[in-house]
Amino acid sequence: SAVISQKPSRDICQRGTSLTIQCQVDSQVTMMFWYRQQPGQSLTLIATANQGSEATYESGFVIDKFPISRPNLTFSTLTVSNMSPEDSSIYLCSVVPSRGMNTEAFFGQGTRLTVV
Amino acid sequence: GDSVTQMEGPVTLSEEAFLTINCTYTATGYPSLFWYVQYPGEGLQLLLKATKADDKGSNKGFEATYRKETTSFHLEKGSVQVSDSAVYFCALSLGAAGNKLTFGGGTRVLVKP
Repeated sequence: SAVISQKPSRDICQRGTSLTIQCQVDSQVTMMFWYRQQPGQSLTLIATANQGSEATYESGFVIDKFPISRPNLTFSTLTVSNMSPEDSSIYLCSVVPSRGMNTEAFFGQGTRLTVV
Repeated sequence: GDSVTQMEGPVTLSEEAFLTINCTYTATGYPSLFWYVQYPGEGLQLLLKATKADDKGSNKGFEATYRKETTSFHLEKGSVQVSDSAVYFCALSLGAAGNKLTFGGGTRVLVKP
């Protein structure tokens, strides 16, 4: 299993500013992901955080808007840049301890972001 | 591309009623299938999973069977409790795709005493 600490748990931000969300795992994990859950909707994958290299972004998400770092196997950050009210969502860090078919993804508690 | 479709909610039930949430999927390979649950005010957590055809995942009285022939993974519980009130998400992952999850839209379930 994996225990994930995600900070901050919530924030209210002014439009045009940026917020960096941190994800710390209690053990080394192979895969780390960032998801977005817009109000009343399902989870959408933003990107896969790759250790020591650039993140892999899903269609519709770009590095300039959502820069991601992953300096080691237990830590990652997601920055939401130049925020607008449309960025108001819950952002979730997820980890998969090892590759393969019989694996489980663990989720952080999420960061509830409100942009005003 | 890969996708998951699940029945829309909200689903409102009385305690001890039978619950079914339908889930079907489209995938390019042979996915693992999951049900995740999000209780009010809590994070997302795994409820059950199945990794190959005909596998049955079970947990907390919930069950789901991986049906390859109908590309389905319906969630069932024979007698729900008020504490089962939550949002349920069906999801798939493909190991070849790096284990990233594709989620269905979520189904909100409300169980009344």
